[in-house]
Formats: sequence, C-alpha cells, structure tokens
Amino acid sequence: AQTVTQSQPEMSVQEAETVTLSCTYDTSESDYYLFWYKQPPSRQMILVIRQEAYKQQNATENRFSVNFQKAAKSFSLKISDSQLGDAAMYFCAYSYQAGTALIFGKGTTLSVSS
Amino acid sequence: EAEVAQSPRYKITEKSQAVAFWCDPISGHATLYWYRQILGQGPELLVQFQDESVVDDSQLPKDRFSAERLKGVDSTLKIQPAELGDSAMYLCASSGTGGYSEAFFGQGTRLTVV
Repeated sequence: AQTVTQSQPEMSVQEAETVTLSCTYDTSESDYYLFWYKQPPSRQMILVIRQEAYKQQNATENRFSVNFQKAAKSFSLKISDSQLGDAAMYFCAYSYQAGTALIFGKGTTLSVSS
Repeated sequence: EAEVAQSPRYKITEKSQAVAFWCDPISGHATLYWYRQILGQGPELLVQFQDESVVDDSQLPKDRFSAERLKGVDSTLKIQPAELGDSAMYLCASSGTGGYSEAFFGQGTRLTVV
C-alpha cells in the first residue's frame, strides 16, 4: 500500500527567509503524481505545486519549488522569501494516476514570524 | 471563480443522532470525493464517485455511513448513528476528467459529536 510520511509536525521561519518541508513516500508504482497542498486556518485546501514522477525536472511555482528524488522516494518543498500569508498546514500527497484519490501525509504546520 | 460548496460549515450533534452533509462540486466535474480529516491529521478518503457511480468506498464504515450522488451532480454524506469518534472535518473535493485534473476542495463541514 502506498504511504506518505511527513516527519516534521511543526516548522517555523522568519519573513523573507527560506524553509524546506520534508516528505517521503512509499510506492511500487513507476508513474505517479506528487503534490503539496496548503490548508490555511478555516479555509479550504489549495494546491501549491505538482510533480509528475516521469519528469526529472523539479517543478517550480513562483516562490515554491520541490526537490524530487525518485530513487530515494523523497519529495521536499522549498518556500523562498517566506511571507506571513504562507503560514498554514502543508500536506504532501500522492496519487498513482490521474483521477484517483489522494493519499495524504499527516501535515506540517508552518508558522511565519515577522 | 468556481468553488466546491459544502454545507453546513459547522454541525454539533448528539451521539446516536443522524447527521447529513451536502456537497455541490464545481460545474462539469465528474469526479467527487469525500474525505475525513481528524484534527491534526491528513485527510483520508471515505468515498469516491465517478458521475453517479461509486468508484471506491473501501474505507467507508458502511454500518453507519452512506453516501449518494443520485444525478451525478451534488452529493450527500450521512452518518447514522453518530459516534463520538466521528468528530472531524468532512471535506468534499471534485475534479474533471481527461488526463490530469486538479482536485478542488470545499471549506469542509466541522462535525462535533457530543
């Protein structure tokens, strides 16, 4: 069975600094999708970034980038130039094909201080 | 901007009572998911629909939970009877079809069973 593990329950960063959130996963599939979702307090979960396993190039979205290490089954999220609005719970998620349900990790709560 | 609508936002019910949640996905989205998110944990899939058909309900406690999507549009999740351990956030998400399609989440229904 596929699993997703986030080993950092809480992280903190100062404004304008960079922070990296860790995620590891387990699967026997060769093609799959990996995601980072952001869940602000009392607001809906939104997609931050997506990575297709067949792509060697790491995905980037503005200040957000990932370090995808397929052999190590590692998928970390780097947030550069952190902003107060980045404070939220971040979930790493896996899906083995388009249209299948997401499998989530337990999440990392990120706090940002000024 | 199209959103996944859920109601109610909050629900308090006594144990052994029946409770129902409603979800209206983004127009045109054929796939609908119900997830349960226990406080401090990642969401876990309860049931997935493709149009009006159930694709995956392997994690749905069928002795007390039921879900339907009669016309392939909106959906209802019901719990009867509610137990104290059912206290959680119930999230609805929807996605389109044809290749990769992002899942969009609603704001969820926070259920408290007393």
